[in-house]
Amino acid sequence: AQSVTQLDSHVSVSEGTPVLLRCNYSSSYSPSLFWYVQHPNKGLQLLLKYTSAATLVKGINGFEAEFKKSETSFHLTKPSAHMSDAAEYFCVVSEWQAGTALIFGKGTTLSVSS
Amino acid sequence: EAEVAQSPRYKITEKSQAVAFWCDPISGHATLYWYRQILGQGPELLVQFQDESVVDDSQLPKDRFSAERLKGVDSTLKIQPAELGDSAMYLCASSKRTGIPNTEAFFGQGTRLTVV
Repeated sequence: AQSVTQLDSHVSVSEGTPVLLRCNYSSSYSPSLFWYVQHPNKGLQLLLKYTSAATLVKGINGFEAEFKKSETSFHLTKPSAHMSDAAEYFCVVSEWQAGTALIFGKGTTLSVSS
Repeated sequence: EAEVAQSPRYKITEKSQAVAFWCDPISGHATLYWYRQILGQGPELLVQFQDESVVDDSQLPKDRFSAERLKGVDSTLKIQPAELGDSAMYLCASSKRTGIPNTEAFFGQGTRLTVV
């Protein structure tokens, strides 16, 4: 069965400093991996997805994620945080080979201070 | 830009009453999901449809929850009777089809349910 663990429930950074949100996954397959973002009172928006074309995936708003199969990790990074990045971030795994739904981590709340 | 439509956006209901939520997925999307998101947590799958068929409803509390997608397009999720613990955000999502790699789901704005 698939599962996803977000290692930090809350991350606080200063504006202009790097962001690192950590995610580990478990799967019996080579799953699809995604990061979604949820701003307050807004819907879930896809930030990026791993497509196996490259281990470093670029997403919207300057975010990137690196897929490391040996570590079963898919950590999200951004070189320089902006106030508008404050939101809830979800790491998501899908065992598409088994036709299962997207399984969400518990989320990481990113706070950005000026 | 195509969107997943949900209604109502907000619903307040009394304990033991019936409540229903509606979802219209993106046109052409065969897969439809209902998720429940409790405040401060990640969304949890309630039911997954492929066209009009249920693929996974293992986490749906079937004694009080029901979901249907009769014509394989829009879907309704019903709770009867509602309990205080059902207060949450109910999210509908759709994707092109199950079993395709790297296929993301598109989410609606959700229905915020408060049971009093």
